[in-house]
Amino acid sequence: DAGVTQSPTHLIKTRGQQVTLRCSPKSGHDTVSWYQQALGQGPQFIFQYYEEEERQRGNFPDRFSGHQFPNYSSELNVNALLLGDSALYLCASSFTGFNQPQHFGDGTRLSIL
Amino acid sequence: AQSVSQHNHHVILSEAASLELGCNYSYGGTVNLFWYVQYPGQHLQLLLKYFSGDPLVKGIKGFEAEFIKSKFSFNLRKPSVQWSDTAEYFCAVHGSGNTGKLIFGQGTTLQVKP
Repeated sequence: DAGVTQSPTHLIKTRGQQVTLRCSPKSGHDTVSWYQQALGQGPQFIFQYYEEEERQRGNFPDRFSGHQFPNYSSELNVNALLLGDSALYLCASSFTGFNQPQHFGDGTRLSIL
Repeated sequence: AQSVSQHNHHVILSEAASLELGCNYSYGGTVNLFWYVQYPGQHLQLLLKYFSGDPLVKGIKGFEAEFIKSKFSFNLRKPSVQWSDTAEYFCAVHGSGNTGKLIFGQGTTLQVKP
């Protein structure tokens, strides 16, 4: 039973560039959430996708956007990269519903030069 | 504002010592509570969860946590730690008004000396 998989593992970009991160949820899960984890901090919620729509969004600018595909996989896109976007980006999947724990992938380490 | 506070940022213990990590949250409604663990080089793993019922919940690897509603707390405990418990521990809250947003504390780094 495959867990949550994310790609790529590491990525180096320069300021102003755009990046796309990918996530495949755990088998059977239909809901995908994205988090940003800065060094020494806890993960911060970016947004959640369910039925191919953004269901809830955290306090992140519009430069952060996403997409969910019919097979429940998801992408996180970040435009006009800033140095402060350097972080570990985590994808979590779950079944929909309040009493459903989220399962996390290994993350994508994004470094902005 | 909704928030989670973990009192200890860095804890150092010797093997066989007892562990208690503090977690307090700020949220006015019904909550689900979680502790996640991140071992070195690994992804976040669910250690235990509280949804409802018995406020004392047991998780994997001998960990337990107690939900005290009146104190908005969900402290993590283990009677006797092992070197393999060295990891980062995160408390997280899911409020009933949020469809999917987990609010995390800043984490506690636990170092167990053999």
